[in-house]
Amino acid sequence: IVLTQSPATLSLSPGERATLSCRASHSVSSFLAWYQQKPGQPPRLLIYGASNRATGIPARFSGSGSGTDFTLTISSLEPEDSAVYYCHHRVTWPWTFGQGTKVDIK
Amino acid sequence: QITLKESGPTVVKPTETLTLTCSFSGFSLTTAQVVVGWVRQPPGKAPEWLSFIYGTDDKRYTPSLRSRLSISKDTSKNQVVLTMTNLDPVDTATYYCVHKTTSLRDDYWGQGTLVTVSS
Repeated sequence: IVLTQSPATLSLSPGERATLSCRASHSVSSFLAWYQQKPGQPPRLLIYGASNRATGIPARFSGSGSGTDFTLTISSLEPEDSAVYYCHHRVTWPWTFGQGTKVDIK
Repeated sequence: QITLKESGPTVVKPTETLTLTCSFSGFSLTTAQVVVGWVRQPPGKAPEWLSFIYGTDDKRYTPSLRSRLSISKDTSKNQVVLTMTNLDPVDTATYYCVHKTTSLRDDYWGQGTLVTVSS
């Protein structure tokens, strides 16, 4: 299953809303997760099961979607949200990641 | 507290074999609900799952690398070992050890180890 993310890069100001998209080549039901990765760090789980926030994740992060179309929304960007965001499925093996969306904070 | 730590060589020559060890604590790799696996990430690229092993010793390998990979566990030492044969410069990447369970919320990563393939 191929995951295609858009856009490749998003450049926004603090306080703005970010909307990241992930499209699957075949249905992944709700087995879709979102990760945040900052330089030199491993990916950090933000959202699991398409819409559930992981432990300790701020409420400004939310996920939606099912089947083949998913969205990660950051309601009001903070400077520390500058990172690359990956979607990831684990519905069937091999588990795959999208190619990532880089979020730049102006 | 769950922790995972990768260890192994930082530089490997082309055609050589890479052996990476994941040492973990805070859980037991003894049931079908628990997996430990390996994800690699070339510089500037997306992560890629390579392999994982269940507590039952059932294993999965990514199809494109199946012939080059081998994964095993040592329950008594709380370790998982990944072997990759016939290394090539394109295998240069940070290799992460990852722990998951059947609960989608369980997701733990080591800090990763950068492996460079160069003569």
